[in-house]
Amino acid sequence: AQSVSQHNHHVILSEAASLELGCNYSYGGTVNLFWYVQYPGQHLQLLLKYFSGDPLVKGIKGFEAEFIKSKFSFNLRKPSVQWSDTAEYFCAVNFLGYGNKLVFGAGTILRVKS
Amino acid sequence: DAGVIQSPRHEVTEMGQEVTLRCKPISGHNSLFWYRQTMMRGLELLIYFNNNVPIDDSGMPEDRFSAKMPNASFSTLKIQPSEPRDSAVYFCASSAGTGAETQYFGPGTRLLVL
Repeated sequence: AQSVSQHNHHVILSEAASLELGCNYSYGGTVNLFWYVQYPGQHLQLLLKYFSGDPLVKGIKGFEAEFIKSKFSFNLRKPSVQWSDTAEYFCAVNFLGYGNKLVFGAGTILRVKS
Repeated sequence: DAGVIQSPRHEVTEMGQEVTLRCKPISGHNSLFWYRQTMMRGLELLIYFNNNVPIDDSGMPEDRFSAKMPNASFSTLKIQPSEPRDSAVYFCASSAGTGAETQYFGPGTRLLVL
């Protein structure tokens, strides 16, 4: 079955540190890829998405992600995190042709120390 | 646009009572999704509709849960009878097209069943 894996469940960084959160999926077909962020007590908001084209995608708040098809990965990056980036980050994949459902990873809780 | 609207935002009820959660999708979107978020299980898709028709309800936990979408601008998720293990945050999301596109989430309903 199609699945989405986020390997880091908790990440703690100091301000200005660089961030990379891993996301892998299992499916050989076409996918739409998303990263959502959930700030404490709030709903999910879209950070960025990839449907096609340039595999390096830039999103809001300085985040970017790179789709590497050969590795089935869509890792999220930010060169310098801020305290306000403290949140939970979800990778989500739409496995096209399999009901168009969005499958979420387990999430990564990021805490940025000021 | 007002975004996805959910009501109530918070609900506290006693075990055995009926609970009804409501969602108004973004105007023009024709796919609607209900998710449940808990610490133990993360984000789970319960059911989704396309053009008011339930497409996949395989995530609905049991017969106590039911969802309807009587028209393009309104959906309900009902739990009858409610149990303490139903305590969670319930999110509604909507998207354009068939659901492979970006999903936009509502603020959620935080349900506590005592």
